[in-house]
Amino acid sequence: DIQMTQSPSSVSASVGDRVTITCRASQGFSNWLAWYQHKPGKAPKLLIYAASSLQSGVPSRFSGSGSGTDFTLTISSLQPEDFATYYCQQANSFHSFTFGPGTKVDIK
Amino acid sequence: QLQLQESGPGLVKPSETLSLTCTVSGGSISSSSYYWGWIRQPPGKGLEWIGSIYYSGSTYYNPSLKSRVTISVDTSKNQFSLKLSSVTAADTAVYYCARLPITIRSNDYWGQGTLVTVSS
Repeated sequence: DIQMTQSPSSVSASVGDRVTITCRASQGFSNWLAWYQHKPGKAPKLLIYAASSLQSGVPSRFSGSGSGTDFTLTISSLQPEDFATYYCQQANSFHSFTFGPGTKVDIK
Repeated sequence: QLQLQESGPGLVKPSETLSLTCTVSGGSISSSSYYWGWIRQPPGKGLEWIGSIYYSGSTYYNPSLKSRVTISVDTSKNQFSLKLSSVTAADTAVYYCARLPITIRSNDYWGQGTLVTVSS
């Protein structure tokens, strides 16, 4: 099974900052990599699918890139509503999806 | 607007079976375009994929839970269900149901989640 790691595990940032989160897979796979935003008490929200495709309705300050084993989520200018935990998820095979451990973005 | 709603007991005793149902409204669970899945989040921990089901009944399960998990679908009620047997305190979590379009392989619609506590 493909295992996912994320770095950093947490990041403190200010409004307006550029934030980059990295997701690394234990083995290379196609670009079926998604990013979710999760706030306490709410359902996770899909931000990016297929590594770099922006989900409908998601602000353009969110972007995804990468391939193989290394993927990134970038928030170009952090907004107050972006403070949350972010998860990557690989979907290389319908037999096994795996989430990364999460990256918490909090206020500096 | 598609909506998913989890329902089931909020408290389950150790060694018993956890049972949850996800009711889908605003869309058909019988569409060939989607899988339907369960994801959970234990308190203070990250998200964990439990498994997915297609309207035909084909299922995929997390290998670490496979021996205890059963996901089923009832197209007549537009529902799908989760059963997790022999539960322990480690199965205490918020359980989410979600839709997974085959074309994007990502969960685009989620239920609000339901907390299930395993305790005697």
